[in-house]
Amino acid sequence: SQQGEEDPQALSIQEGENATMNCSYKTSINNLQWYRQNSGRGLVHLILIRSNEREKHSGRLRVTLDTSKKSSSLLITASRAADTASYFCATDAGNFNKFYFGSGTKLNVKP
Amino acid sequence: EPEVTQTPSHQVTQMGQEVILRCVPISNHLYFYWYRQILGQKVEFLVSFYNNEISEKSEIFDDQFSVERPDGSNFTLKIRSTKLEDSAMYFCASRANYGTYEQYFGPGTRLTVT
Repeated sequence: SQQGEEDPQALSIQEGENATMNCSYKTSINNLQWYRQNSGRGLVHLILIRSNEREKHSGRLRVTLDTSKKSSSLLITASRAADTASYFCATDAGNFNKFYFGSGTKLNVKP
Repeated sequence: EPEVTQTPSHQVTQMGQEVILRCVPISNHLYFYWYRQILGQKVEFLVSFYNNEISEKSEIFDDQFSVERPDGSNFTLKIRSTKLEDSAMYFCASRANYGTYEQYFGPGTRLTVT
């Protein structure tokens, strides 16, 4: 299956620390996206990285993509309690009509 | 800021009943999606829709499911005869146009089948 898989499944850190989450996938992609989901809510798009990009930044977020290893990482720097949420990677199926989500990393940032 | 809306936020129905979940995508978006998330599990793709027809569907999207864009603003998901295992959060998403890939999700409808 194409589905991305995140690790760790859960991560607990102190406010101010950095949080790193990883995503692995199985087949070729056009792009990879990261989403955040607060408990019981919808998904919020965070950042997209194209298959020909290796790194992308957006505010406190840094995403890397290694297509040779079929993996991506999301780094949240200087975490805040408000960053507490589940984070998912999503990959396309090569045609933008179908997207696969991983199981997510549940991040808990302790104040 | 434009957003995707979904109604109802919570639907309780009895097994075997039909339900219609409604979504209003962002107005100038062209691509529409339904996903579901069973409690504690991953978000699963159901179907994508473009130009008034289904672009792709998953194996979950069997004959019990259908989608429609009846009036140019609403995008609906119908489940004809609900089963207990259909209980989940259902998310609608929209994407602007060819060449943009970010999907914007609605807040979801929690469907409970009893």
